[in-house]
Amino acid sequence: QSALTQPASVSGSPGQSITISCTGTSSDLAAYNYVSWYQQHPGKAPKFIIYDVTNRPSGVSDRFSGSKSGNTASLTISGLQPEDEADYYCSSYTAYSTLVFGGGTKLTVL
Amino acid sequence: DVQLLESGGDLVQPGGSLRLSCAASGFTFSNFAMTWVRQAPGRGLEWVSSISGRDAATSYADSVKGRFAISRDNSKNTFYLQMDSLRAEDTATYYCAKPKGNDFLGRGLDFWGQGTLVTVSS
Repeated sequence: QSALTQPASVSGSPGQSITISCTGTSSDLAAYNYVSWYQQHPGKAPKFIIYDVTNRPSGVSDRFSGSKSGNTASLTISGLQPEDEADYYCSSYTAYSTLVFGGGTKLTVL
Repeated sequence: DVQLLESGGDLVQPGGSLRLSCAASGFTFSNFAMTWVRQAPGRGLEWVSSISGRDAATSYADSVKGRFAISRDNSKNTFYLQMDSLRAEDTATYYCAKPKGNDFLGRGLDFWGQGTLVTVSS
């Protein structure tokens, strides 16, 4: 099972919006609406920020939103804040009843 | 509150073995599939293995199949990862994680432990 494809890095200025893409295949992302996103700060465990493509867990800012079209999912962060600077990972359920992660995207807030 | 606490990480020689543990609390452990995810230094997340709560069915990433074994003890609210024939490329921080969706992985992993470091080196 190959990793989902994410851009290595994105950047934006405070207050701006950015979008991170996540591309999969017909065996994972395209087949199911089971996409999750995680935020990871250096030296910390990942934090769950989006599930079922578009849903936010309780306590996650509404500045984070998710979407999907075909075999590509996207995470949008609006109103960028300095504390949003982190690594972001997408994940999808697969046809093999397993999980697959993306390679990760480093977000820099300029 | 949900808590997951990993232990067992260590420095081990190539070809050696190690057993990781994850102690869980704050939820009905036996109802949930539990998962190990690893992260090599400076690299991304990699799903390693999961075990069902209902029937202890197991699944593994191709990279560890035949070398790692996941198990659980519902009476102790603990699950394990037995790692044999360890290789340098198994060096990583290993996280245990709980799924949002009970015995189903698809809805994501909503709680994670702090991680335990496994280093495979001579």
